Parts: sequence; structure tokens; C-alpha cells
Amino acid sequence: NAGVTQTPKFQVLKTGQSMTLQCAQDMNHNSMYWYRQDPGMGLRLIYYSASEGTTDKGEVPNGYNVSRLNKREFSLRLESAAPSQTSVYFCASRAAGTNTGELFFGEGSRLTVL
Amino acid sequence: AQSVTQPDIHITVSEGASLELRCNYSYGATPYLFWYVQSPGQGLQLLLKYFSGDTLVQGIKGFEAEFKRSQSSFNLRKPSVHWSDAAEYFCAVGATGGGNKLTFGTGTQLKVEL
Repeated sequence: NAGVTQTPKFQVLKTGQSMTLQCAQDMNHNSMYWYRQDPGMGLRLIYYSASEGTTDKGEVPNGYNVSRLNKREFSLRLESAAPSQTSVYFCASRAAGTNTGELFFGEGSRLTVL
Repeated sequence: AQSVTQPDIHITVSEGASLELRCNYSYGATPYLFWYVQSPGQGLQLLLKYFSGDTLVQGIKGFEAEFKRSQSSFNLRKPSVHWSDAAEYFCAVGATGGGNKLTFGTGTQLKVEL
């Protein structure tokens, strides 16, 4: 029962480097999300994909891009990493058309930008 | 836009004591409300949710929460805290449209003294 799988779990980058965080879910969920978690800030939505083929900006999209590769996979890309992007990133998924439904989270990816 | 306030950043309780974590929300319509728990180094797990009906909802691990529309609150309670309840707790409010997004509070860190 994998649920939501994120890779990598840890990454250290230098300012200006690029990287992609990968996320895959095996629950046949339509909606997928990327959040970042910072101390004292809670979780803030970066981007989301309500269904395959669509993506939309969340609260803090600047500096990020996303790709909904297929129904299972939703990747987050940092084109030119900045120290302000040091954070823990969580991917989550949710069944379609269920505002009341549970968000299932991955275990997080801890990113440090030097 | 919806918002969530968790006024307590840290709370310390003795094992066996009762617990109440506060959550206030702002949303124009009937909200969908959630409580999540995050253990160190882990993703978030759903404790309980409210979307309609009985305003007192029961969740996992002996937690309950009460929706009070007049106070715009959704406080989490537990009659007797166990040491294993030490974690960070997040309240979240869901929108009725726009991709099923959840907006999270900043979290309350619970410490349990033995």
C-alpha cells in the first residue's frame, strides 16, 4: 500500500541549480497538490492539478513549475533554486469531486538551497 | 478567500490530562473543516472532518471536534492525552470549488509531559 510516494526525500542544492521533485500516487485519485511547509507558516499551496491535463497556481507559485505527466504523477520543478526555497515539500492527492474527501500526503521532501 | 487561525503555537499538557486545540476559520459559506496530525518526519494524517450534519464529530485515536458556526470555530478535543499524541496538529478549511483546495492553519505543536 504505497499511497503517495515522493522522491527524493532529501536534496541539497546550490543557488541557481535546478531540480525536479517527483510524486506518484496509486489510489486512482484525480486531484494532486504540492505544498511547502515552513516553520510558523503551516502548509502553503504551491500548485495543484484538479484533474489530469490541468494545473493551476496556488498561494505561492513563484519560482516553481509543475507537470501533470499522467493521472498518477505530478512533478514540481525548481528552474533556478534560491535559498528562500529551502523547505519541506509535500505532495498530496484526493479523489475527484470530493471537497469533503481526505487529502493523502506523501512523507515529504526536505530541500536545502545553499 | 478562506483562512484558518490556530492561536496557540505550542501547548504542553500532562499525560492523562484533557486537551483542547483551538481553530478559527473564515469562510463565506458553510465550510468543510479538517484536523490533521503530523508526527516528526512524517506526512500529515487525517484525524477527522466536518462537512454537514452533527456538529460534534468523532475521529481516530480518541479525538473529537465541535463545529460552532456562531463562533467560527472547530476546536479539537481529547479527554485524556497519551504520550504518543505529541505531534503537530493542523486545522484546515476546504473551499466548495476551485480544485478542492485546502487552506491550512499554521499548526499547534503539542508536547506531552510524563
